[in-house]
Amino acid sequence: QKEVEQNSGPLSVPEGAIASLNCTYSDRVSQSFFWYRQYSGKSPELIMSIYSNGDKEDGRFTAQLNKASQYVSLLIRDSQPSDSATYLCAVARSFGNEKLTFGTGTRLTIIP
Amino acid sequence: NAGVTQTPKFQVLKTGQSMTLQCAQDMNHNSMYWYRQDPGMGLRLIYYSASEGTTDKGEVPNGYNVSRLNKREFSLRLESAAPSQTSVYFCASSEGAGVNYGYTFGSGTRLTVV
Repeated sequence: QKEVEQNSGPLSVPEGAIASLNCTYSDRVSQSFFWYRQYSGKSPELIMSIYSNGDKEDGRFTAQLNKASQYVSLLIRDSQPSDSATYLCAVARSFGNEKLTFGTGTRLTIIP
Repeated sequence: NAGVTQTPKFQVLKTGQSMTLQCAQDMNHNSMYWYRQDPGMGLRLIYYSASEGTTDKGEVPNGYNVSRLNKREFSLRLESAAPSQTSVYFCASSEGAGVNYGYTFGSGTRLTVV
């Protein structure tokens, strides 16, 4: 079992719709969770972090965390063609100085 | 602009050659990391440095060595390159204290070993 699992996609979503990206993790003691966006040929960039159960909103992005189910998701509202990218889920075991374990990413395509 | 700088951006090596990938950050971060990214494998940790003067192995350290030269710089060395080391290499840094704010990545080095 991989430590962090994501559906590789591709996930195709019409422009203006909600894109839903999912991630599960295996280590129950994980405390910090991150979503990165990576455009083709570029480096990952951090878009959201979440540490507590529930929802966290930042503009068009909402991260959702359920530690009991070991599940974290990212919702993108009003999807735009510029959101087309690979989205990486990353998990750390603690709040502090701790290396991240990444999923393999979900490729998202927004269809105009 | 503040950030993580990696050099070179592209490199082609012959099997058995050696090279060093350079990484420097100007954000006064404590922790630095080297990852490789391969299709279908995601980002895998090679080595990391939690603070100046310390280094630790990650998930895939074989064939690599690192040096944390000072707080700013963290280099990755391939002593005898192999085709299996063809990959995109990313350096990253983080504050490494208190709440984990995530990483800032460099722009990457595309390495081909022939």
